[in-house]
Amino acid sequence: GQNIDQPTEMTATEGAIVQINCTYQTSGFNGLFWYQQHAGEAPTFLSYNVLDGLEEKGRFSSFLSRSKGYSYLLLKELQMKDSASYLCAVRDSNYQLIWGAGTKLIIKP
Amino acid sequence: EAQVTQNPRYLITVTGKKLTVTCSQNMNHEYMSWYRQDPGLGLRQIYYSMNVEVTDKGDVPEGYKVSRKEKRNFPLILESPSPNQTSLYFCASASQGPHYGYTFGSGTRLTVV
Repeated sequence: GQNIDQPTEMTATEGAIVQINCTYQTSGFNGLFWYQQHAGEAPTFLSYNVLDGLEEKGRFSSFLSRSKGYSYLLLKELQMKDSASYLCAVRDSNYQLIWGAGTKLIIKP
Repeated sequence: EAQVTQNPRYLITVTGKKLTVTCSQNMNHEYMSWYRQDPGLGLRQIYYSMNVEVTDKGDVPEGYKVSRKEKRNFPLILESPSPNQTSLYFCASASQGPHYGYTFGSGTRLTVV
């Protein structure tokens, strides 16, 4: 079966760095996405990885290792507005997105 | 502005009363999809459409219908809603390019009593 695992909840301090991990087992791989979702709102696109390595976009970076079925999202200089859920999704061989359940990130002052 | 528009945002209805949630996108995207999101379960796909007149079941299609008569519209129909369909629903669209992310509508919070 297809499976994406990410921690249910994480807590971090304002100004700090946090890493959210995602491991996946899917039938084929055509890219990995990270989305941010504030409570009750729609998910918004953060990053896309299809090749191994690190993609940096401002305070956010995303890493992919296809051989390990592993990705992480790195958030630097945390701000209170970063409190949200972070969703990992993998596009499989049928070009369908398989979604993780999301990681709720709580930022404390 | 490029967007996916869903209506209504909130809906309370009674068991068995047919309802339709509309979804429209203005980006000329081929791909459209409906999801429901429940606490602890993440996004689960209900139906998707690769193009006009082409629809396919997702992971949880029971109790739902869709149609894709025009490229921009992808309504979700609940013929006989039941309380277990109480959920937060999202419509999403995407282009068919090799690197595409989904654009989501604002969501519809449905309560069936």
